[in-house]
Amino acid sequence: QKEVEQNSGPLSVPEGAIASLNCTYSDRGSQSFFWYRQYSGKSPELIMSIYSNGDKEDGRFTAQLNKASQYVSLLIRDSQPSDSATYLCAVNLYYGNNRLAFGKGNQVVVIP
Amino acid sequence: DAGVTQSPTHLIKTRGQHVTLRCSPISGHKSVSWYQQVLGQGPQFIFQYYEKEERGRGNFPDRFSARQFPNYSSELNVNALLLGDSALYLCASSLEPGNQPQHFGDGTRLSIL
Repeated sequence: QKEVEQNSGPLSVPEGAIASLNCTYSDRGSQSFFWYRQYSGKSPELIMSIYSNGDKEDGRFTAQLNKASQYVSLLIRDSQPSDSATYLCAVNLYYGNNRLAFGKGNQVVVIP
Repeated sequence: DAGVTQSPTHLIKTRGQHVTLRCSPISGHKSVSWYQQVLGQGPQFIFQYYEKEERGRGNFPDRFSARQFPNYSSELNVNALLLGDSALYLCASSLEPGNQPQHFGDGTRLSIL
């Protein structure tokens, strides 16, 4: 089982719609979870951190965490063409010397 | 405030050579981590340093080494370069290891010919 899994293929959403991204992780002891946005040819940019079960909202972004199900998600409301990027889920592994493990990322394309 | 800075931006080497990549963390950040990212994949953890000591090592061969200096800047060294070492090398800093969010520099794109 991979440490962090993002299985969905490229996601195309019309402008103004909601984009939904999912991520699962294997380390039950993990305590901190992050979403990064990466534009093509650029480095990852931190957009959300979440540490407790439930929802955390920041502008048009909402992160959701369910530790019992080992599941993290990211919602992007009112999607804009500038949101077109790859979104990386990252988990700070408790049993991995607190190193950050990344999923392979999900590409989001917002269609004007 | 300056973010994480990495140098050089791009580098072209040939097989068998060695390379040194440099990173300066955000002011006040004491932990530096190095990652390798190949096309289509998420970043893979190489090393983490905190207060000049290695705090974690990923599944990379001994050709990869790193160190952290008293000013918290860091170097990543790779010896005997292979074609498969071609990748984007990312440095990230955080206040300390653990649950603190990590912020990335722009990376060094290394190409091996």
